[in-house]
Amino acid sequence: AQTVTQSQPEMSVQEAETVTLSCTYDTSESDYYLFWYKQPPSRQMILVIRQEAYKQQNATENRFSVNFQKAAKSFSLKISDSQLGDAAMYFCAYRSGGGYGQNFVFGPGTRLSVLP
Amino acid sequence: DADVTQTPRNRITKTGKRIMLECSQTKGHDRMYWYRQDPGLGLRLIYYSFDVKDINKGEISDGYSVSRQAQAKFSLSLESAIPNQTALYFCATSDPLGGGEGNEQFFGPGTRLTVL
Repeated sequence: AQTVTQSQPEMSVQEAETVTLSCTYDTSESDYYLFWYKQPPSRQMILVIRQEAYKQQNATENRFSVNFQKAAKSFSLKISDSQLGDAAMYFCAYRSGGGYGQNFVFGPGTRLSVLP
Repeated sequence: DADVTQTPRNRITKTGKRIMLECSQTKGHDRMYWYRQDPGLGLRLIYYSFDVKDINKGEISDGYSVSRQAQAKFSLSLESAIPNQTALYFCATSDPLGGGEGNEQFFGPGTRLTVL
């Protein structure tokens, strides 16, 4: 079974600075997808960014980018120019690429604080 | 209007009571999921349904049951609630054939359940 690990339960960053959240995963599959979800105090789960494992190019979405290292099974999220609204829980998630059981596996989350 | 809705948003109940959490979606997705979120554990899958006639147990199904009344509705029941079922519960949908949206899950706003 796949597992997702986020080794940083809590992180903090100064407003306008850059922060990187770590995620590692364990799988024997070659076809899969990786995601970062944000959960602000409102509790809503919001997709931040996705990465297809077959793509070598790292995904970017405005101030959010990932460092996908397939061989190392690492998928870190970099937030540039941090804003107060970035304060939230961040969850890394894995999904198999094919077959019947395309379920998601979530990491335990990292709580990010943004300091003014 | 929200694509995935959950009722109630908050509920306090007593040990031994039967509780039903409801989820409705207007995204037209076949796949629906129930998760629970606990601090430090991330989201764990309780049950999932790939269509109205296909319901499957997830990682932590003991003490829970589900009903898929229609493509758009998926309910979670706690037959006899116990305090360690106190958690945040999320419903989610996905459509793996949906092109750009096909690889992510869309979440409801969550239900905060407290069992006394």
